[in-house]
Amino acid sequence: GAGVSQSPSNKVTEKGKDVELRCDPISGHTALYWYRQSLGQGLEFLIYFQGNSAPDKSGLPSDRFSAERTGGSVSTLTIQRTQQEDSAVYLCASSLGTGPWDGYTFGSGTRLTVV
Amino acid sequence: AQSVAQPEDQVNVAEGNPLTVKCTYSVSGNPYLFWYVQYPNRGLQFLLKYITGDNLVKGSYGFEAEFNKSQTSFHLKKPSALVSDSALYFCAVRGYNFNKFYFGSGTKLNVKP
Repeated sequence: GAGVSQSPSNKVTEKGKDVELRCDPISGHTALYWYRQSLGQGLEFLIYFQGNSAPDKSGLPSDRFSAERTGGSVSTLTIQRTQQEDSAVYLCASSLGTGPWDGYTFGSGTRLTVV
Repeated sequence: AQSVAQPEDQVNVAEGNPLTVKCTYSVSGNPYLFWYVQYPNRGLQFLLKYITGDNLVKGSYGFEAEFNKSQTSFHLKKPSALVSDSALYFCAVRGYNFNKFYFGSGTKLNVKP
């Protein structure tokens, strides 16, 4: 597609429920990233996918968080047994390559509210 | 360790005046520095980047940034601010061997008419 697409744009869920957030990157972009933006905070790195390599999961805050990327394209971030502290905007970004000079293209984010 | 600091949570400036949004960084090796802007309910948009070469980098919407190696800074500047520049600005850095950006906490720019 023309840009990075994320769905849903907003999600309200009850504490303890599982949620799935979807990211559709720009076609041909090999790298895909998930970040979390909490109110008043910067962007917190969650996970990174590059081609067929093992993902870098070093930013996932707990084992309730997981992500997969199917066919090198669409990615799904899953949060199990959601907690109120999971409320944030979840941003997905993709990049054509992984050179340090390659910038990201961000999606508009999914605003997750856990009540 | 890699890190980025944006010391000001908020910057207020009058329309037509020059603006500066500060950023300092820490990274092993040569830094690759970026500025992004975020408008309400939108994702981050690329403004400009420093890879190598001239220390003064020009980007979108009349913004520029100056790389200062000795001060490990990459401040964002604009000679004349517009009300429409009001947004959240993020500085980001990564080194050559690092596959992800480290972002600052963001600076909210308020430009008043």
